[in-house]
Amino acid sequence: DQQVKQNSPSLSVQEGRISILNCDYTNSMFDYFLWYKKYPAEGPTFLISISSIKDKNEDGRFTVFLNKSAKHLSLHIVPSQPGDSAVYFCAATPATDSWGKLQFGAGTQVVVTP
Amino acid sequence: DVKVTQSSRYLVKRTGEKVFLECVQDMDHENMFWYRQDPGLGLRLIYFSYDVKMKEKGDIPEGYSVSREKKERFSLILESASTNQTSMYLCATGGGVTDTQYFGPGTRLTVL
Repeated sequence: DQQVKQNSPSLSVQEGRISILNCDYTNSMFDYFLWYKKYPAEGPTFLISISSIKDKNEDGRFTVFLNKSAKHLSLHIVPSQPGDSAVYFCAATPATDSWGKLQFGAGTQVVVTP
Repeated sequence: DVKVTQSSRYLVKRTGEKVFLECVQDMDHENMFWYRQDPGLGLRLIYFSYDVKMKEKGDIPEGYSVSREKKERFSLILESASTNQTSMYLCATGGGVTDTQYFGPGTRLTVL
């Protein structure tokens, strides 16, 4: 029973355009959210995070939006570049979890075409 | 630079074999995690450890055990490997609830 859901397994976008990745969660105790990026044959690397006290966090080309009432977050990549082609995982954790255990979504494969 | 290393990138084992996967970190992190990654399921937590000799079950601990004798080293053990344990295994370390988790490169395990 996945508590973090990424319903789009794949996304294809043209270079220079916006990529929008979506993530939904069911556990209302989650209050810290992260996005990880994973290339083939490598471990995931941290991309960006957001706390539930915010509704937006920006880092360069990457922006994460959080809608707590809808239990939904999204990652925007603008502009998309070929090097952004990877699998993106959404993850969540409750602040009450002192060990930082993460619940991950299934991932979205992004392909950026020239 | 953060270093999380895993003992093997690729491993092929036979059903019933005992399998050891090792993870070593140089971050001095208290917390270490073992995940498996499967298509359509994302990363699922098998076990984690919050201190030397301390361990807790994750979401899918069945068929696995772990060992943490030293702070920097966390081992995942498959007591009797089965074909449904064929997967990508990822080790991670982290400092706490809002600290980033750092992942190793993964071990692709195939059980025949």
